[in-house]
Amino acid sequence: GAGVSQSPSNKVTEKGKDVELRCDPISGHTALYWYRQRLGQGLEFLIYFQGNSAPDKSGLPSDRFSAERTGESVSTLTIQRTQQEDSAVYLCASSLAQGAHREQFFGPGTRLTVL
Amino acid sequence: GDSVTQMEGPVTLSEEAFLTINCTYTATGYPSLFWYVQYPGEGLQLLLKATKADDKGSNKGFEATYRKETTSFHLEKGSVQVSDSAVYFCALSDRGSGAGSYQLTFGKGTKLSVIP
Repeated sequence: GAGVSQSPSNKVTEKGKDVELRCDPISGHTALYWYRQRLGQGLEFLIYFQGNSAPDKSGLPSDRFSAERTGESVSTLTIQRTQQEDSAVYLCASSLAQGAHREQFFGPGTRLTVL
Repeated sequence: GDSVTQMEGPVTLSEEAFLTINCTYTATGYPSLFWYVQYPGEGLQLLLKATKADDKGSNKGFEATYRKETTSFHLEKGSVQVSDSAVYFCALSDRGSGAGSYQLTFGKGTKLSVIP
């Protein structure tokens, strides 16, 4: 079946502009995660959605970052007033349900470059 | 908070050599442990996992054993191939600060290059 998809695959923007990144999780997966991978670093957790529960926003680095998810479908990550340090690959992952043992399935990522 | 430390690369091995990538962790709870792999030009995918102490995860000739006493989850393979060239990430999943978010905490990754 279809995996996690993300769009766009690449985004180049100017400092100060807003960007919106999209994630389509695997159908039926109730849990959705956003991560950020900066050059030479491991992945950093940003935000988590589980069904209709309140999201876990504890990983968002600043109030310029926000995310939404409608039910158990598409999610969008918005970065306002982008800065050069926001340049990274943004990865989305989904899993069948919550739980420490659950495999997370990753999308191909969106590479964001802020000039 | 939770953290994962893995050996820094890059690691370069000849084909058929033995591979070990060290990984240690700290966690407040009782985590599940994972190795994810990222092949060139591809997305991150699960290689293997272990969910409790002394469990051994294995896949594609790779193995890792969950050692609670040493808080380690070292990745091993007896004979690497050129096709194993990739970046390997050790990760753990534990109850997050939110209500059961179980996000993954990753190490920085180890790049492996296998030469013929």
